Amino acid sequence: GAVVSQHPSWVICKSGTSVKIECRSLDFQATTMFWYRQFPKQSLMLMATSNEGSKATYEQGVEKDKFLINHASLTLSTLTVTSAHPEDSSFYICSARDTAFYNSPLHFGNGTRLTVT
Amino acid sequence: QKEVEQNSGPLSVPEGAIASLNCTYSDRGSQSFFWYRQYSGKSPELIMFIYSNGDKEDGRFTAQLNKASQYVSLLIRDSQPSDSATYLCAVCCYNTDKLIFGTGTRLQVFP
Repeated sequence: GAVVSQHPSWVICKSGTSVKIECRSLDFQATTMFWYRQFPKQSLMLMATSNEGSKATYEQGVEKDKFLINHASLTLSTLTVTSAHPEDSSFYICSARDTAFYNSPLHFGNGTRLTVT
Repeated sequence: QKEVEQNSGPLSVPEGAIASLNCTYSDRGSQSFFWYRQYSGKSPELIMFIYSNGDKEDGRFTAQLNKASQYVSLLIRDSQPSDSATYLCAVCCYNTDKLIFGTGTRLQVFP
């Protein structure tokens, strides 16, 4: 159980374009999902917390107008990188937990490797 | 500033040995503790979680928690080359979903 699906697994785009990444909880409902970014040889950095039916909460230093998050249902959150630039190239990973169970662990999607040329 | 500290390694152990990975955390209010394994280029995979003081065993893995010392560890028995990865310690506080991750310890198991 507790499977998180993320799509696409990799994407290459040109500077100035936008890219949408989807994150789905397949066998549970998630009122909250989390978006992380990881640069090579660095640890995970939390970008934002996606809240179903309300605005996302962004971490300090993360531009909310650049990284648009939508959590339209209890099983789907999307991250859109707008006007992407080469410095946005990174590994983006979503995660979620089954909030039906107290203190259940976070499970991660397989990640999306974004390359901006 | 809530922090989770790990030695970055690499920790090198021979095949068949016990690998011991350590983690300390600063927030005494932390309630849940997790170990994730991350292979290069892949997303983290949950290995163990522990909530109470003491040991928790699952196959070759044992998680140890000492809340008084704010210390959590992961032991891997009979280490295999396939265990070579970065191990991330993550800590969370009461009634919140926000995990704080350490920077990870790179484990190398050599044949």
